[in-house]
Amino acid sequence: EAGVAQSPRYKIIEKRQSVAFWCNPISGHATLYWYQQILGQGPKLLIQFQNNGVVDDSQLPKDRFSAERLKGVDSTLKIQPAKLEDSAVYLCASSLERVSGGAREQYFGPGTRLTVT
Amino acid sequence: RKEVEQDPGPFNVPEGATVAFNCTYSNSASQSFFWYRQDCRKEPKLLMSVYSSGNEDGRFTAQLNRASQYISLLIRDSKLSDSATYLCVVAGRGTTDSWGKLQFGAGTQVVVTP
Repeated sequence: EAGVAQSPRYKIIEKRQSVAFWCNPISGHATLYWYQQILGQGPKLLIQFQNNGVVDDSQLPKDRFSAERLKGVDSTLKIQPAKLEDSAVYLCASSLERVSGGAREQYFGPGTRLTVT
Repeated sequence: RKEVEQDPGPFNVPEGATVAFNCTYSNSASQSFFWYRQDCRKEPKLLMSVYSSGNEDGRFTAQLNRASQYISLLIRDSKLSDSATYLCVVAGRGTTDSWGKLQFGAGTQVVVTP
């Protein structure tokens, strides 16, 4: 079974530039997550989709970050403009449909390592 | 206070020994609990879910203590390959129109030495 695919794997940009990350979840997984993981910290949930609807974006800095999941499959996460503190690994994960009252096992992609200079 | 807290370690463990560590959470309504393993510069992978009655998977045992609001992970007969960072995940109870908040701890580093 193919896992979660992400691209690019690495990206270096200057502050105030824009960047976009792409994620292709495991086939059949209705729930898709984007996380930010800063070195030495645990992953922080940025946004969660159920099919193509957003169910939690409470920790997404909406002034600069945006995400979409067209047709309930692939997703893109964009940062515009980037700041130095955005340097982190951006992880995409997917799971079977999440139901209220519980959470499902998440499968993570390899991540995109972003460096903002 | 952080909603999910872990001792960052590192826990230095001789090969073959037992190591245990906890993860505390602040939301008493939390519903789902997991342990993930993350190797250096790799993505997290599910190690095991944590059930109310406690559960075991080979050398790994997970426990949930709702009264004191913590989960624990015990590793018996440690192997060199167990060296990793162990992340706990806590998910709140959802409602009819929202999902419970999903949060990772910062991780506990375990280093198994020969």
